[in-house]
Amino acid sequence: DGGITQSPKYLFRKEGQNVTLSCEQNLNHDAMYWYRQDPGQGLRLIYYSQIVNDFQKGDIAEGYSVSREKKESFPLTVTSAQKNPTAFYLCASSMGTPMNTEAFFGQGTRLTVV
Amino acid sequence: GQNIDQPTEMTATEGAIVQINCTYQTSGFNGLFWYQQHAGEAPTFLSYNVLDGLEEKGRFSSFLSRSKGYSYLLLKELQMKDSASYLCAANQAGTALIFGKGTTLSVSS
Repeated sequence: DGGITQSPKYLFRKEGQNVTLSCEQNLNHDAMYWYRQDPGQGLRLIYYSQIVNDFQKGDIAEGYSVSREKKESFPLTVTSAQKNPTAFYLCASSMGTPMNTEAFFGQGTRLTVV
Repeated sequence: GQNIDQPTEMTATEGAIVQINCTYQTSGFNGLFWYQQHAGEAPTFLSYNVLDGLEEKGRFSSFLSRSKGYSYLLLKELQMKDSASYLCAANQAGTALIFGKGTTLSVSS
């Protein structure tokens, strides 16, 4: 079955460590996105990528980095520079941008800094 | 700038009809999405409007007025399972979806 997979579902990290969240899709979508969601908040855009080897910053990119070496994969690294990293992270993909077709979301990774 | 507003919370009873409003201001507007999100889960697609008017899909309908920067999601024959957050998102040309903070709907019996 086609879909978008995020792993792990829960992740704990010590303060000061970098951590990488995985996002893989087999939908043959060109565009991929990372969003962050805090309690009682909507989704805020961290980074997005329209094609392989290219990506752009979203509204809250500071403290995060991404790569897009393969069409299927868009990993997100939360660096130690991110001051408040505890959140629910959602990856999404769509046929292209603008997202005038349905965007598919992964199940999310809940990151907790301890 | 870009801004999307929707009510924070709404309550309704089973079998009723509820309308969730959304107003938006965004450059390069290219359509309006509605998503449903249950707690701790991923958002799931409900509807997409790019032209003015009403789109109906079963118990759910969505309306868009581009001139007024306004949309609503209408849920009919409410069921307990409709208790969730409903996210309004504007499609910004050349970038990505810009989301509102979501409306938490509580359906009681």
